[in-house]
Amino acid sequence: DQQVKQNSPSLSVQEGRISILNCDYTNSMFDYFLWYKKYPAEGPTFLISISSIKDKNEDGRFTVFLNKSAKHLSLHIVPSQPGDSAVYFCAASAASGTYKYIFGTGTRLKVLA
Amino acid sequence: NAGVTQTPKFQVLKTGQSMTLQCAQDMNHNSMYWYRQDPGMGLRLIYYSASEGTTDKGEVPNGYNVSRLNKREFSLRLESAAPSQTSVYFCASSETVFGAAGDTQYFGPGTRLTVL
Repeated sequence: DQQVKQNSPSLSVQEGRISILNCDYTNSMFDYFLWYKKYPAEGPTFLISISSIKDKNEDGRFTVFLNKSAKHLSLHIVPSQPGDSAVYFCAASAASGTYKYIFGTGTRLKVLA
Repeated sequence: NAGVTQTPKFQVLKTGQSMTLQCAQDMNHNSMYWYRQDPGMGLRLIYYSASEGTTDKGEVPNGYNVSRLNKREFSLRLESAAPSQTSVYFCASSETVFGAAGDTQYFGPGTRLTVL
């Protein structure tokens, strides 16, 4: 059973517009969430994270929103740039237990110039 | 600063052959990990090493063994490769185990393995 789900395998957005990537989780024990970005032939790189004590975290053009009651988080990229074209993975972990990260299946974002 | 390095980048094996994937990090991190990524699936943890001298199974350990050679190096061995092990393998490291208290994992570039 997939505990972390990214239901949109791909997303296309015009340059300058907002990109919204979504992630749903089922385990209510998850309390720390991350987004990773992956370019082809490279490893994932950390983008932004959020703790369950917050509902929003911003870093430049990237904002992550967390809705604990809905078990949903989203990554907003504003404005989107062609260099943002990549696969984005969300991941979740639980402070209780072993902290193992559970990754979603990824969303491929294409930003059109 | 190289970060996390992996060798080889590509490998083709025949069923039943063995091989070792090498990983090294130069960030003085305590914890290291091996993941595999398959189409339509997220990264799945194979094995991890919370600190030098310790290793533990992850989500999909069957068919693999690991060695934490020293603080820098963490190798993954396939003793008898199977087509189901065709995948992209990523090594990662972090200061604390699984990024506890806000720490993050740093990933290597990956090894693309094909088992015929």
